Amino acid sequence: NAGVTQTPKFRILKIGQSMTLQCAQDMNHNYMYWYRQDPGMGLKLIYYSVGAGITDKGEVPNGYNVSRSTTEDFPLRLELAAPSQTSVYFCASGDSYSNQPQHFGDGTRLSIL
Amino acid sequence: QKEVEQNSGPLSVPEGAIASLNCTYSDRVSQSFFWYRQYSGKSPELIMSIYSNGDKEDGRFTAQLNKASQYVSLLIRDSQPSDSATYLCAVKSYTGNQFYFGTGTSLTVIP
Repeated sequence: NAGVTQTPKFRILKIGQSMTLQCAQDMNHNYMYWYRQDPGMGLKLIYYSVGAGITDKGEVPNGYNVSRSTTEDFPLRLELAAPSQTSVYFCASGDSYSNQPQHFGDGTRLSIL
Repeated sequence: QKEVEQNSGPLSVPEGAIASLNCTYSDRVSQSFFWYRQYSGKSPELIMSIYSNGDKEDGRFTAQLNKASQYVSLLIRDSQPSDSATYLCAVKSYTGNQFYFGTGTSLTVIP
């Protein structure tokens, strides 16, 4: 039972590079979320999705894009990486009944140099 | 004004004592409230949710909600060293699917 799987776990990017953070869940959850967590800070919502084909912006969407072509996958795309995007990124999922982030992935630690 | 505010701590309690963690929120019409536990270097895990005024108990954990005061708390009875973690308060906005997290309170249980 994998739950929420994020890849990669660590990554170092140069300024201006692009990359995709992968997130997959095997619980058939409709709701999926992307958060970033800066040191000593709470979680900030980047994007969320309420089902395949439906995505919406959170608090801090600038510099990111998402897609949700299947229920299982919710990749996060960083275009033109900037040092301000250095953070730990968490993907989470939740079922339609509870409508909340119930299960989190292990996180991706991203550094932009 | 922050949506969700927590005392960052650190809060230290001796083993076996009651740990009390507090959270205030600014959106008066918020309906759903959650506590997550996050061990150092790990991802958050959901431990409690509360939707109505009053207390909700789950094992050694009790969540308390007072909507009039816009205040939610988490009590941990018989605290154990394994409870040492950062506790995040989260509030779901009434108008959408956004969750606002506090910055967390660091708890250390001293054996």
